[in-house]
Amino acid sequence: QITLKESGPPLVKPTQTLTLTCTFSGFSLSTSGEGVNWIRQPPGKALEWLALIYWNDDKRYSPSLQSRLTITKDSSKNQVVLTMTNMDPVDTATYYCIHRKYGGALDYWGQGILVTVSS
Amino acid sequence: DVVMTQSPLSLPVTPGEPASISCRSSQSLLRSAGYSYLDWYVQKPGQSPQLLIYLVSNRASGVPDRFSGSGSGTDFTLKISRVEAEDVGIYYCMQDLETPFTFGGGTKVEIK
Repeated sequence: QITLKESGPPLVKPTQTLTLTCTFSGFSLSTSGEGVNWIRQPPGKALEWLALIYWNDDKRYSPSLQSRLTITKDSSKNQVVLTMTNMDPVDTATYYCIHRKYGGALDYWGQGILVTVSS
Repeated sequence: DVVMTQSPLSLPVTPGEPASISCRSSQSLLRSAGYSYLDWYVQKPGQSPQLLIYLVSNRASGVPDRFSGSGSGTDFTLKISRVEAEDVGIYYCMQDLETPFTFGGGTKVEIK
């Protein structure tokens, strides 16, 4: 059974860097084809894809946010970390990490973590 | 980026009646292998989104057969044959043919 859980600060100040950790179980990012995505959802708004990382360390980013995002993995800890620099109030959102095999769908979602950007 | 356009924005339905949601992509989602990389997700109130349909027409595990997906290329449809009260939520289509993966704006299904 695959599970994922996001953790990180619920509140960050403008200009700060956000670091979110996705801790997962039920699969390994050392296994061919496995991947983890990050998606966010501002309150009352639609879903926005942010980044993904695959088992082979292939990384993809949203072009509009690429300069601010970094995604890394620690396969030994079953964790994926997303950092977003220069946070702004418009980045206030629920952030989700999601399992996706290469070529597959977003099949297992974390519960999400609400991050508020405010001074 | 591939732009995904959903309609309608809101869909009030009577229990037991059918419902249909349309999704259009700004470019073809058809890959040479013959698959269109279009998925459907539903976000029920207070919950994380969950996978409903993948590759246009394949129901995810545990999804009732009253849900069906169809389409190809740039035009896709999600149908609920007989809406039940538990189906309320926001339905999103998403393309994962190429990054950045992109979502439609969502269709809110509510009971009349």
